[in-house]
Amino acid sequence: DAKTTQPTSMDCAEGRAANLPCNHSTISGNEYVYWYRQIHSQGPQYIIHGLKNNETNEMASLIITEDRKSSTLILPHATLRDTAVYYCIVRVANTGNQFYFGTGTSLTVIP
Amino acid sequence: GAGVSQTPSNKVTEKGKYVELRCDPISGHTALYWYRQSLGQGPEFLIYFQGTGAADDSGLPNDRFFAVRPEGSVSTLKIQRTERGDSAVYLCASSLAWGKYFGPGTRLTVT
Repeated sequence: DAKTTQPTSMDCAEGRAANLPCNHSTISGNEYVYWYRQIHSQGPQYIIHGLKNNETNEMASLIITEDRKSSTLILPHATLRDTAVYYCIVRVANTGNQFYFGTGTSLTVIP
Repeated sequence: GAGVSQTPSNKVTEKGKYVELRCDPISGHTALYWYRQSLGQGPEFLIYFQGTGAADDSGLPNDRFFAVRPEGSVSTLKIQRTERGDSAVYLCASSLAWGKYFGPGTRLTVT
């Protein structure tokens, strides 16, 4: 599996965009980039995923560099409820494959 | 609709005892996963079921850990002769296609 590298922690002011980076320099051509988050005392929650094109949904946007060696998750208007640990995972898109979560980025949204 | 549910939400047991943790996946989801999460760490893969069979149990730490899914729906994670190091949150996830949906977890404390 491609290994990911994320900053340990980040702060973001409420209402501002939160940009969470992830490096995955050894990603393979058939591996997707997934983002999950885990709010305190809850199970991980799916946010978004992509292969090489930028993606957007109601929760966030995912920007993947052209060489696919890094990506950024963007929460356009962070709220206090977005305070969580955010995990960047790379894996082939197959239900048979487990995720390797790493330690993620602890995002704190500040009032 | 109903998400993944796990029971009990908390379990305290004495060292050496046997415990069972239950997971009810989303109806119709064929894939089921167990993860374990220690404090300050990301979830760690334990075992994956496709239907009734364990397709990948490479994450089980030793033979004290065992999981079943006899009818392809509910799964039970069984831990024999519990040790203090088994204390963690045990997460279950289910999947039909690419997305994994996690339950809230069972917090196991071995005293």
